[in-house]
Amino acid sequence: GAVVSQHPSRVICKSGTSVKIECRSLDFQATTMFWYRQFPKQSLMLMATSNEGSKATYEQGVEKDKFLINHASLTLSTLTVTSAHPEDSSFYICSARQERQYFGPGTRLLVL
Amino acid sequence: DAKTTQPPSMDCAEGRAANLPCNHSTISGNEYVYWYRQIHSQGPQYIIHGLKNNETNEMASLIITEDRKSSTLILPHATLRDTAVYYCIVRVENSGYALNFGKGTSLLVTP
Repeated sequence: GAVVSQHPSRVICKSGTSVKIECRSLDFQATTMFWYRQFPKQSLMLMATSNEGSKATYEQGVEKDKFLINHASLTLSTLTVTSAHPEDSSFYICSARQERQYFGPGTRLLVL
Repeated sequence: DAKTTQPPSMDCAEGRAANLPCNHSTISGNEYVYWYRQIHSQGPQYIIHGLKNNETNEMASLIITEDRKSSTLILPHATLRDTAVYYCIVRVENSGYALNFGKGTSLLVTP
């Protein structure tokens, strides 16, 4: 089946710094990728839809200037958390769409 | 996507069948029933989907009622590794939109 990878799997950073998370579709091309966030004991919440070659579409309440998304190729989308704060600590999950959505393993971000 | 209702939690003994129910009374004629699961600290994993006929694959079986207002995911011989949150999602096949995850059912498989 289709495989989606994420890097890094976990990251710890200081408050105020920026963190980039990569999402790759390893054996297929994806014009659309999705970014989700999951807080402890909660379900996945969609943050944004990333379309190759165009601007991402953000869900209501998600700051586009804080969560920068770049989908520069058909196999790679990146999410950059700018000026991270402790409240941004979460589990970030991407998915890539082929005939259905395939999910990455997630990236756990801890902001100190 | 049609709304779904699932019990918040269930227990199942290892080796027994786990039957996870889902109500979707407002499902439309062209909407499929999808099941995903999320093991702790991992990304969601596709399990199975169907329109109106019962479906079976190497992971599970999906039983959809004749009126399509409810369905049951069956894990025939649950193992400890099946402990996860199971999500029932109703949507049009090949939809370009993101999956909308509800709260799901937290399944605990016990020794």
